[in-house]
Amino acid sequence: ETGVTQSPTHLIKTRGQQVTLRCSSQSGHNTVSWYQQALGQGPQFIFQYYREEENGRGNFPPRFSGLQFPNYSSELNVNALELDDSALYLCASRAVEGGAGYTFGSGTRLTVV
Amino acid sequence: AQTVTQSQPEMSVQEAETVTLSCTYDTSESDYYLFWYKQPPSRQMILVIRQEAYKQQNATENRFSVNFQKAAKSFSLKISDSQLGDAAMYFCAYRSAHLTSKSTFGDGTTLTVKP
Repeated sequence: ETGVTQSPTHLIKTRGQQVTLRCSSQSGHNTVSWYQQALGQGPQFIFQYYREEENGRGNFPPRFSGLQFPNYSSELNVNALELDDSALYLCASRAVEGGAGYTFGSGTRLTVV
Repeated sequence: AQTVTQSQPEMSVQEAETVTLSCTYDTSESDYYLFWYKQPPSRQMILVIRQEAYKQQNATENRFSVNFQKAAKSFSLKISDSQLGDAAMYFCAYRSAHLTSKSTFGDGTTLTVKP
């Protein structure tokens, strides 16, 4: 098992810019979810991909978008960054079959100034 | 929509003692999974324990056990013989048994372990 890796670890962007966060899921995990975690709070669901298609979205605007690739990697793109987008972004993967929990990456800390 | 509530923002425990973290959830479904995750200060979230709703027996993983009360929609985590390494933020999470369901998390409980 390779685990879930995310890049970059930290990122500072200016309001209005665009950002792409990357995730490499654990081998064999066909579902990847992205979460936003504000300081001291629980993760908030952004969206989920299964077999390279989005199949669930939380209460986030369309400027949050994503992609999942056949090689278990995925991306989270955020356009027109706002100050409130500053947070820890977590990638989590799992196999759809069975009741397994997520394997999480270490996250990307995004700061918007 | 499912909701998960953790009513204890902070808890503390003496090393080697036992502590219980509370979690309640709201759902209209009968088949689902419940999880406890641990997020140490280094921030990588790891799975501690999981419970399948159709199982009456409470899950146990070494020093970690749960008290699952389906009718009351309660899912508490008991940590026995607490260790300094148990200090972390703990999140309770719910997921429907539908194959591609997402997980819904509570706001977490910060656990401090005193030496």
